[in-house]
Amino acid sequence: EAGVTQFPSHSVIEKGQTVTLRCDPISGHDNLYWYRRVMGKEIKFLLHFVKESKQDESGMPNNRFLAERTGGTYSTLKVQPAELEDSGVYFCASSLGQGDYYEQYFGPGTRLTVT
Amino acid sequence: SQQGEEDPQALSIQEGENATMNCSYKTSINNLQWYRQNSGRGLVHLILIRSNEREKHSGRLRVTLDTSKKSSSLLITASRAADTASYFCATNTQGGSEKLVFGKGTKLTVNP
Repeated sequence: EAGVTQFPSHSVIEKGQTVTLRCDPISGHDNLYWYRRVMGKEIKFLLHFVKESKQDESGMPNNRFLAERTGGTYSTLKVQPAELEDSGVYFCASSLGQGDYYEQYFGPGTRLTVT
Repeated sequence: SQQGEEDPQALSIQEGENATMNCSYKTSINNLQWYRQNSGRGLVHLILIRSNEREKHSGRLRVTLDTSKKSSSLLITASRAADTASYFCATNTQGGSEKLVFGKGTKLTVNP
């Protein structure tokens, strides 16, 4: 069974440009999460999808970030326009269900560098 | 301090020794999960312990949870050089959200 995959693995863009990150969850996992780790800080939650619906987007930093999950399969996270402080590693995770018993399985992350 | 805060921040041991990492948190939790991250790679799920459990084992890993002290420990026995990585605890907080709250992690170095 394939794990969570993310694309690209690394992206370098200039300030003001747009970047779109993609996440493919484990097949059958309705729950999809985005997290990010900026330099020297903790891994922070961004948002949670259940199928195509946003369950919790309390961690989204501002309206430059747009996450979608059309059709309830893969998800994209667009940053427009990118700022220097957006640099970091963006992780996607998925889980089969919600609650005490369900682990979140993480992808390898996308390293975003904004210059 | 942050929810899910690990200590020590860095730990260096010799192969064969045991490594113990601790995690403290502030709010009531549903479960606590430990993850490993090798340099430049993704997070690997190690073990999940629910709030009504006190101890859990998986291979060379032993996790304890003390909800009265809001703390957890991860013990890796008979460490190997391949265990060199950063280890994070993450809590799933009671109250409806499924988000995980991570600590800053412990960087473990196992010297051959």
